[in-house]
Amino acid sequence: KAGVTQTPRYLIKTRGQQVTLSCSPISGHRSVSWYQQTPGQGLQFLFEYFSETQRNKGNFPGRFSGRQFSNSRSEMNVSTLELGDSALYLCASKIGTGEAFFGQGTRLTVV
Amino acid sequence: GEDVEQSLFLSVREGDSSVINCTYTDSSSTYLYWYKQEPGAGLQLLTYIFSNMDMKQDQRLTVLLNKKDKHLSLRIADTQTGDSAIYFCAESFDNYGQNFVFGPGTRLSVLP
Repeated sequence: KAGVTQTPRYLIKTRGQQVTLSCSPISGHRSVSWYQQTPGQGLQFLFEYFSETQRNKGNFPGRFSGRQFSNSRSEMNVSTLELGDSALYLCASKIGTGEAFFGQGTRLTVV
Repeated sequence: GEDVEQSLFLSVREGDSSVINCTYTDSSSTYLYWYKQEPGAGLQLLTYIFSNMDMKQDQRLTVLLNKKDKHLSLRIADTQTGDSAIYFCAESFDNYGQNFVFGPGTRLSVLP
């Protein structure tokens, strides 16, 4: 079966711009979570969506937002980009108590 | 607060055993996980252990949990060059959510 698909794989944006990242979970998985991975801070939880509702939220500013659609696909948005937002953004999907499967990530570079 | 710590680097010779250690601070964690990340890839779940277990073995992997000391270890037997990767320890507080707290990762280098 197809894995978790994140698009785009690479992105370059300018400070002040906004960006939208997409995550298509494994078919049947209704839980989608997002993580930011940087060399300095490591892997940090952003938020989790389940059935179009945000179930958990990490400690990130309001510039980071997300949503989930009825088909479980999720998007995350970062507004007013800062240099420090450069990171690998990982998405994971899960069903019930099963394993969380991660996508390959979107590498965002802010210049 | 939640905090997970790991040593950052480990080098072993091919064929030897590798032991990667992790300590965590939140005793309310329910599940503890080991993930592997290869260059350019996402995270791959290697194994996990419930907090009420002491040990779990899965082929070359052995996980030991000392709940009193909040210490988790991953032993890889007969380490191969393909095991070279970053290994993350993570804790979660329920098995339905995905709110994992990850350690900084241990970069394992396997020398021929």
